Amino acid sequence: DAGVIQSPRHEVTEMGQEVTLRCKPISGHNSLFWYRQTMMRGLELLIYFNNNVPIDDSGMPEDRFSAKMPNASFSTLKIQPSEPRDSAVYFCASSSGTFYSGGYTFGSGTRLTVV
Amino acid sequence: AQSVTQLGSHVSVSEGALVLLRCNYSSSVPPYLFWYVQYPNQGLQLLLKYTTGATLVKGINGFEAEFKKSETSFHLTKPSAHMSDAAEYFCAVSMFTGGFKTIFGAGTRLFVKA
Repeated sequence: DAGVIQSPRHEVTEMGQEVTLRCKPISGHNSLFWYRQTMMRGLELLIYFNNNVPIDDSGMPEDRFSAKMPNASFSTLKIQPSEPRDSAVYFCASSSGTFYSGGYTFGSGTRLTVV
Repeated sequence: AQSVTQLGSHVSVSEGALVLLRCNYSSSVPPYLFWYVQYPNQGLQLLLKYTTGATLVKGINGFEAEFKKSETSFHLTKPSAHMSDAAEYFCAVSMFTGGFKTIFGAGTRLFVKA
C-alpha cells in the first residue's frame, strides 16, 4: 500500500496566484480530511468528505479556499487568490469504517509558501 | 465543547529514561482518543488509539497510554527512551455530537539526550 499520496511536496507561488493541492487517499478508505498546520495555530481541520460528499467545511478559512472530491481516489484543495498568510503545511488524511474511531492515515504534506 | 490540552510544549529525557507525555481532554460524551507521532518533514503517524474496552492500550514502538475517565487523561508513556523517539507527539480526541470533529492538541516535542 502506497499510503496517502499528496502532490506537490513543496509549492512556492506569488501572492494572487491560484494554487491547487492534490491528494490520493488509500484505496478503500471512505473518509478524507484536509488539515493545515502552522506554528501559530497547530493542526486545523479545514474540511472533510465521507463517501466523496463534503460533510463539514466550517474550517475553511475564507471563500478563497475550495475543495473537491470528484471520485473516491482523488481530492483537490484550491486557493484562489493565494495570500502570504496561507503559507503552511497542508495535510491530507484518510480513514475507513467509522471515521471518527479508526484513526487517520496522513500523507506527507504539501509545504506551501506564498511570497 | 471538546478540547485537548497537552502539558508541556517541550519534554527532554535522557536515553533509557522513562518517557511521559501528558494529555487531558474535555468531553461531554465518551471520547475516542489517539496519539500520533510526527517526524520532521513527514505526516502524522498513528501510535495508538482508545475506543472502548481495556483502558491500557499498547501501540507501536513500545509506547502505551492509559485512559483514565475520572482524571479525563490519556497520558503516553514508554519505559525506556531511544534516540529515534525524538519527534513531535500529538494527542487527539474524536467524538460525534451531532456533527463530527477530531481535535488535535498543540503537540509536545520530545528531545532525547544521549
